[in-house]
Amino acid sequence: DVKVTQSSRYLVKRTGEKVFLECVQDMDHENMFWYRQDPGLGLRLIYFSYDVKMKEKGDIPEGYSVSREKKERFSLILESASTNQTSMYLCASSLSSPTGYGYTFGSGTRLTVV
Amino acid sequence: EDQVTQSPEALRLQEGESSSLNCSYTVSGLRGLFWYRQDPGKGPEFLFTLYSAGEEKEKERLKATLTKKESFLHITAPKPEDSATYLCAVQAWEEYGNKLVFGAGTILRVKS
Repeated sequence: DVKVTQSSRYLVKRTGEKVFLECVQDMDHENMFWYRQDPGLGLRLIYFSYDVKMKEKGDIPEGYSVSREKKERFSLILESASTNQTSMYLCASSLSSPTGYGYTFGSGTRLTVV
Repeated sequence: EDQVTQSPEALRLQEGESSSLNCSYTVSGLRGLFWYRQDPGKGPEFLFTLYSAGEEKEKERLKATLTKKESFLHITAPKPEDSATYLCAVQAWEEYGNKLVFGAGTILRVKS
């Protein structure tokens, strides 16, 4: 069964801490994504990567950075966590396909910043 | 800018009471429209992809349809296990990345 695995289901961090969220996929997908999900706002794209070492800003990149050193792993970094970054974080991956392809999502990491 | 609006925000149905969820979209050039189901505390799960107006896809009690401006997810004789948040997303033709733009979702509750 193909999978996207996020390292933590729940995290509690303090304001100002540097936070790492890890995502690993075993499907040899080219594309990987980080979204955050908040009630009433839906899923908003933070960053995505279409190849190793390549990254592109999404709609809300401020306060975040990413790293993709290997094809299967995409990390989201909160440089200095703030309370407004409390959210559900979802990682996803997909193939590059000329006709479009759905994402496979991880189970999510619920981050609370106190 | 690509946009997706879903309605209603929440829907309560009795078991067996059929209904439809709406997804209105604007996109520069539609590559695909996607429906996902999300259970509480979990990641979204892929349901359907629709590519062109007039296309329809079915899976059990769910049927998705597509026009040039909107998509409908029809739920026939729903059961309590159909309770979930249903997400709609669009994908535009781009050079790379396969980004999806999501709507805020419709929360469906089916009572027995």
